[in-house]
Amino acid sequence: RKEVEQDPGPFNVPEGATVAFNCTYSNSASQSFFWYRQDCRKEPKLLMSVYSSGNEDGRFTAQLNRASQYISLLIRDSKLSDSATYLCVVKGGDMRFGAGTRLTVKP
Amino acid sequence: DGGITQSPKYLFRKEGQNVTLSCEQNLNHDAMYWYRQDPGQGLRLIYYSQIVNDFQKGDIAEGYSVSREKKESFPLTVTSAQKNPTAFYLCASSMSGTAYYEQYFGPGTRLTVT
Repeated sequence: RKEVEQDPGPFNVPEGATVAFNCTYSNSASQSFFWYRQDCRKEPKLLMSVYSSGNEDGRFTAQLNRASQYISLLIRDSKLSDSATYLCVVKGGDMRFGAGTRLTVKP
Repeated sequence: DGGITQSPKYLFRKEGQNVTLSCEQNLNHDAMYWYRQDPGQGLRLIYYSQIVNDFQKGDIAEGYSVSREKKESFPLTVTSAQKNPTAFYLCASSMSGTAYYEQYFGPGTRLTVT
């Protein structure tokens, strides 16, 4: 079993759609959780940290369920510029990366 | 501008040659990391360093070596012992190696070995 598993995707959605990404992790001792965004052939960039209480940044909402070892990212009102691969990242000792879920937002 | 730089962006080498990838940061971060990314896979940790003159192996250290003589610099050498070196190599840094700090990435080096 992989340490961090994400929806395989890809997700193809129209502009304005709401899209949700899911992620599960295996290490119950994990302490920090993040979503990164990676554009094609570029480096990952931090999108947002994920807190137990849930957090929101504009159109993006992240949720953490420690009991179920589950993390989610919700994007509302999708824009063309949201097209990218979204990486779920979990940190206990080392950072562990999911393989990513690719999102394409179409006009 | 604060950030992480990696050079070169693209690197081509013949099989059997060692090659060194550069990584420099001016963020005053203590911890630095090297990852490789292969198509369709998550990032895998090669080596990391939490302090100058100290580093630890990650999950896939075989065929790689590093040094950390300065806080700002963490070069990675891909040796001829690495069986499948063609990949996208990413350097990252964080304020500290403890769990709560996010990592920031450099732009990466694409290495092709033929």
